[in-house]
Amino acid sequence: GAVVSQHPSWVICKSGTSVKIECRSLDFQATTMFWYRQFPKQSLMLMATSNEGSKATYEQGVEKDKFLINHASLTLSTLTVTSAHPEDSSFYICSARFVASGRANEQFFGPGTRLTVL
Amino acid sequence: DAKTTQPPSMDCAEGRAANLPCNHSTISGNEYVYWYRQIHSQGPQYIIHGLKNNETNEMASLIITEDRKSSTLILPHATLRDTAVYYCIVKGSGNTGKLIFGQGTTLQVKP
Repeated sequence: GAVVSQHPSWVICKSGTSVKIECRSLDFQATTMFWYRQFPKQSLMLMATSNEGSKATYEQGVEKDKFLINHASLTLSTLTVTSAHPEDSSFYICSARFVASGRANEQFFGPGTRLTVL
Repeated sequence: DAKTTQPPSMDCAEGRAANLPCNHSTISGNEYVYWYRQIHSQGPQYIIHGLKNNETNEMASLIITEDRKSSTLILPHATLRDTAVYYCIVKGSGNTGKLIFGQGTTLQVKP
């Protein structure tokens, strides 16, 4: 149990286009999902916290108009990178917080999405 | 959330125990210690977490000092597949608090 999936696993796009990444909790409900970004040989950097049915909370320095987050249901959150540029090329990872009683502290991560902007 | 300090890298021989240290001297009373690992080009994998008692599961053991200022993750019989970056994270309880990743320890298990 507690599986989180991401789609696509990798994507290549042209500069100026928008890319949508999906994050799904497959066998549990997640009121909270998180989006991270990871550049080569660096650690994960938290971008935003996504709560079902409400606006996402962005970390300092992350542009909310560039990284659009939608959390429409308890099992799906999406991250849209708008007007992507080469510097947005990165590994994007989502995680979902387990809702069930007694397990509220656990977060499970997706496999990541590799974005390359040409 | 309290910060953590980990050695940047460690080596371990296959089949031997891997002991990964973590310092969290500013940890507060309601903060947990979490361990995750990330194998190259994959999402992080949850390993274990604890508050003040030692914990053990099928993957590892977590030893937390009595003053809670440091902890050690123990992989009892390391295999080549345990080669990864290991992250020690301190986070508050409940539905608040975020997992903030530091630089972690790169564990290289060698044959």
